[in-house]
Amino acid sequence: QVQLVQSGAEVTKPGASVKVSCKTSGYTFTGYYIHWVRQAPGLGLEWMGRINPKSGGTNYAQNFQGRATMTSDTSISTVYMELSRLTSDDTAIYFCARVSFAGSSWYAWLDPWGQGTLVTVS
Amino acid sequence: QSVLTQPPSVSGAPGQRVTIFCTGNSSNIGAGYDVHWYQQLPGTAPKVLIYGYNNRPSGVPDRFSGSMSGTSASLAITGLQAEDEAEYFCQSFDITLSAVVFGGGTKLTVL
Repeated sequence: QVQLVQSGAEVTKPGASVKVSCKTSGYTFTGYYIHWVRQAPGLGLEWMGRINPKSGGTNYAQNFQGRATMTSDTSISTVYMELSRLTSDDTAIYFCARVSFAGSSWYAWLDPWGQGTLVTVS
Repeated sequence: QSVLTQPPSVSGAPGQRVTIFCTGNSSNIGAGYDVHWYQQLPGTAPKVLIYGYNNRPSGVPDRFSGSMSGTSASLAITGLQAEDEAEYFCQSFDITLSAVVFGGGTKLTVL
């Protein structure tokens, strides 16, 4: 079955960077975009961007342009999200999620999701 | 401030019906982009509940249904059960922002 398994919790300092991994299995890695979504404590979902694992092409939300970098490693079916210049406002659970069908369409829903990675900036 | 607007909370007694609304504008829902609904149980990742306005993945009971009108969409839950207590999010795409957008989430309490 399709699975997305994320790296473990991180504690980091303001001004530093953090890199979260999302290892996928159970499907053709290069066929489906992966999105990143974060959720601050007690708050809603915030879309960060997406990556085409085959080409490495990315689309970022305006709030994360220049600060988030999404990459992929096709040899191990893993995508990464690195966020730099961290502040306490970046404390959140970060989720990766696969789109529901192949292609670049914005109509796709997100399914399945990784288990989430808690990043604490303190 | 979320692009899509949802009520922060709704509640209902077991067996009742509740409806959660998701209001957008002409750049997202009103532009014809699909609306999807997710259920998030405490401490877990969101899970798709309804996709493309009113389609249910296998395993989702038909007590859950979606609809849309103009710049809004709604999620209806009939025959409320205790296990439905969760946070519900709507999601669409915004052509002006060129971004996936979410509602702020609605916490459903089963009384």
